[in-house]
Amino acid sequence: GNSVTQMEGPVTLSEEAFLTINCTYTATGYPSLFWYVQYPGEGLQLLLKATKADDKGSNKGFEATYRKETTSFHLEKGSVQVSDSAVYFCALSGTSAQGGSEKLVFGKGTKLTVNP
Amino acid sequence: NAGVTQTPKFQVLKTGQSMTLQCAQDMNHEYMSWYRQDPGMGLRLIHYSVGAGITDQGEVPNGYNVSRSTTEDFPLRLLSAAPSQTSVYFCASSLNRQGTYEQYFGPGTRLTVT
Repeated sequence: GNSVTQMEGPVTLSEEAFLTINCTYTATGYPSLFWYVQYPGEGLQLLLKATKADDKGSNKGFEATYRKETTSFHLEKGSVQVSDSAVYFCALSGTSAQGGSEKLVFGKGTKLTVNP
Repeated sequence: NAGVTQTPKFQVLKTGQSMTLQCAQDMNHEYMSWYRQDPGMGLRLIHYSVGAGITDQGEVPNGYNVSRSTTEDFPLRLLSAAPSQTSVYFCASSLNRQGTYEQYFGPGTRLTVT
């Protein structure tokens, strides 16, 4: 079945540092890939997505590229801020041969803390 | 739009009690789902619905019941609470079941079963 593996945290960085959170996936067919972010005490919200190979999703300075050859969707940001402190989830949604989509499958989440 | 709303925010139950977690959305979304979030486990799908009158099981459905009588509402019922159901529960909705559409999450219900 479909699965997502993301790097375990927690990750602690200083403000303006470079961020990478690794995410790899296993899926049949042609999945769509997502990064969701959860700020303290809140629900998840979509950060970015990519729906086909070589697509790059980007939002709020974060980027991730859909790499089918390495089955990866790593999240990057060039200069993190204190306000980026949150838990980040990689997720995928597969596409069945008959069309339509399967359910979202989440990684376990990576907690990021950014210190001033 | 209020988006996805959940009530209550917090709940403490005794083992064996039953309760209903409420979820509503005002975006006319077809697809709604319930997840539970446990430390180190990510989010796991409990039940989902692709439209009014249609529900199906997710990854961890045991001990939970759902129904979808309207497009807007998707309540989750705990039939006989157990300590293993202590978790944070999130309801989510999206335009339809296509995976390319964003899922919108509610703020969550933190449930403790003693």
